Amino acid sequence: KAGVTQTPRYLIKTRGQQVTLSCSPISGHRSVSWYQQTPGQGLQFLFEYFSETQRNKGNFPGRFSGRQFSNSRSEMNVSTLELGDSALYLCASSLGTGGKETQYFGPGTRLLVL
Amino acid sequence: AQRVTQPEKLLSVFKGAPVELKCNYSYSGSPELFWYVQYSRQRLQLLLRHISRESIKGFTADLNKGETSFHLKKPFAQEEDSAMYYCALIDRGSTLGRLYFGRGTQLTVWP
Repeated sequence: KAGVTQTPRYLIKTRGQQVTLSCSPISGHRSVSWYQQTPGQGLQFLFEYFSETQRNKGNFPGRFSGRQFSNSRSEMNVSTLELGDSALYLCASSLGTGGKETQYFGPGTRLLVL
Repeated sequence: AQRVTQPEKLLSVFKGAPVELKCNYSYSGSPELFWYVQYSRQRLQLLLRHISRESIKGFTADLNKGETSFHLKKPFAQEEDSAMYYCALIDRGSTLGRLYFGRGTQLTVWP
């Protein structure tokens, strides 16, 4: 099976712009989670989607949003970009949701905000 | 509250030496512990999880509930083990799939 894919892999934006990142889960996986990775804060949970519903949300401002489509693909959007949003954004998929599932990660989208 | 602590940011050993990467956790629910590894320019990948009790690439990890630790060990380190290692926790009893990660330990194995 193909692994989790994320597009684009690299992105450069300026402050105030918005950005949309895409994640395609492993075939058959219905849960998608998003994480932000920065040198200062490490890996932090953004949100989790299952069956097109947001199940869980981390401690991020409302500028960060996401959605999931009926084919389980997910997008996350960041509006009014700030310099501090520069990070590696990771997507992970799992068969279902919950603590019994193993999450498999994509390669990430590296976002640079100038 | 910091749920997963990896006290060593950097760890260096010589090839053939034993290696132990420390992980301590704090969680009141039913934690399931994981080790993820990220090799240079590769994606984050699962190394092992506590419940499966597997040994992957020679690595093992034992959950010590008394000490709330889940240290990763390998008796003889190899150069290809050089990577970033993350300890992570999830609530096994939860219907939500949120992973809590430690800050990671960069392991370097010298020839």
